[in-house]
Amino acid sequence: DTEVTQTPKHLVMGMTNKKSLKCEQHMGHRAMYWYKQKAKKPPELMFVYSYEKLSINESVPSRFSPECPNSSLLNLHLHALQPEDSALYLCASSHPGTKGNEQFFGPGTRLTVL
Amino acid sequence: ILNVEQSPQSLHVQEGDSTNFTCSFPSSNFYALHWYRWETAKSPEALFVMTLNGDEKKKGRISATLNTKEGYSYLYIKGSQPEDSATYLCAFRMIYNQGGKLIFGQGTELSVKP
Repeated sequence: DTEVTQTPKHLVMGMTNKKSLKCEQHMGHRAMYWYKQKAKKPPELMFVYSYEKLSINESVPSRFSPECPNSSLLNLHLHALQPEDSALYLCASSHPGTKGNEQFFGPGTRLTVL
Repeated sequence: ILNVEQSPQSLHVQEGDSTNFTCSFPSSNFYALHWYRWETAKSPEALFVMTLNGDEKKKGRISATLNTKEGYSYLYIKGSQPEDSATYLCAFRMIYNQGGKLIFGQGTELSVKP
């Protein structure tokens, strides 16, 4: 299984809502990533988990809260988002540390904040 | 601020044409250069991970070269087919970055007409 799955595919939420994005992989990868992509812009890294511990937080606002409950799952909890947070949220996974290792991406969750 | 630039931003070719695009990245602190192919509504798909100056990699009709001293990589598609239509992204990884952070270019959007 070389797939990274993300749910939901689309999410519409109000600024007062709390929602979560979910990412799952069964490739035995111990590094997992959240990226944000705005239209016509490159994906930008938000968080990296390595061996279930948060290793990189790219100064992301606290209204985004990542969680890695086990080596296969990565969540992104959303609370009190702003309309400018509307974007495609991509999850990826890889073997950590090795130079030539590619990152495997999911198809993303398209988030709209009203 | 690290910049990864891709050119052209978009390209329209006829079926059978060969084409190439460029990725420019910082020539210092190089660790790896990734190429991805991203079709609309699908997951970005890894094409190549290149780590050594002078690397040349090939997958079917697609090949890539790497020059780390001058900070560029070329992606070539020989005999383009309509199914090659996608956005091609390159991503740069810096040395000392064990978290696996990738810095993406904006992509080259390729459209191949039958």
